[in-house]
Amino acid sequence: GDSVTQMEGPVTLSEEAFLTINCTYTATGYPSLFWYVQYPGEGLQLLLKATKADDKGSNKGFEATYRKETTSFHLEKGSVQVSDSAVYFCALKGGSNYKLTFGKGTLLTVNP
Amino acid sequence: DADVTQTPRNRITKTGKRIMLECSQTKGHDRMYWYRQDPGLGLRLIYYSFDVKDINKGEISDGYSVSRQAQAKFSLSLESAIPNQTALYFCATSDDLAEVSYNEQFFGPGTRLTVL
Repeated sequence: GDSVTQMEGPVTLSEEAFLTINCTYTATGYPSLFWYVQYPGEGLQLLLKATKADDKGSNKGFEATYRKETTSFHLEKGSVQVSDSAVYFCALKGGSNYKLTFGKGTLLTVNP
Repeated sequence: DADVTQTPRNRITKTGKRIMLECSQTKGHDRMYWYRQDPGLGLRLIYYSFDVKDINKGEISDGYSVSRQAQAKFSLSLESAIPNQTALYFCATSDDLAEVSYNEQFFGPGTRLTVL
């Protein structure tokens, strides 16, 4: 079945540091890929998405590229801020399926 | 106002009690979902509904039941709560798009349930 593996946290960075959160997936067909973010005390919000190979999703300075050859969708940001502190979830949706499959989440803490 | 609301936001109950968590949405979406979140496990799907008459089990439905009272309302019940149902519960909605491969889900703020 479908699965998502993302790097274990927690990740602690200083403000303005470079961020990478690795995500790899296993799926049949051609899934859509997502990054969701969960700020403290809130529900999940879609951060960015990519629906086909080589697509780059971007939002709020975050980027991720759909790499079919490596089955990866790593999240990056060039300069993190304290306000980026949150839990980040990688997720996929199969090509013929309604269901979102989530990774376990990565807690990011950014210190001033 | 929030598009997806959940009540209550926090609940502490005892083993064996019946609990209902409610979800309402103003997005006009046909599809609604219930997930639970446990530390280190991500989100797991409990039940989902594609419309009022179409309700389906997710990957961890044992011990739970649901009711889709209207397009906008989807309730999750724990008939006899047990401690390992202590978790953060999220409701989500999505549109019924023709493009099957992409279907963004919109999440409520969550209900933190503690079963003693």
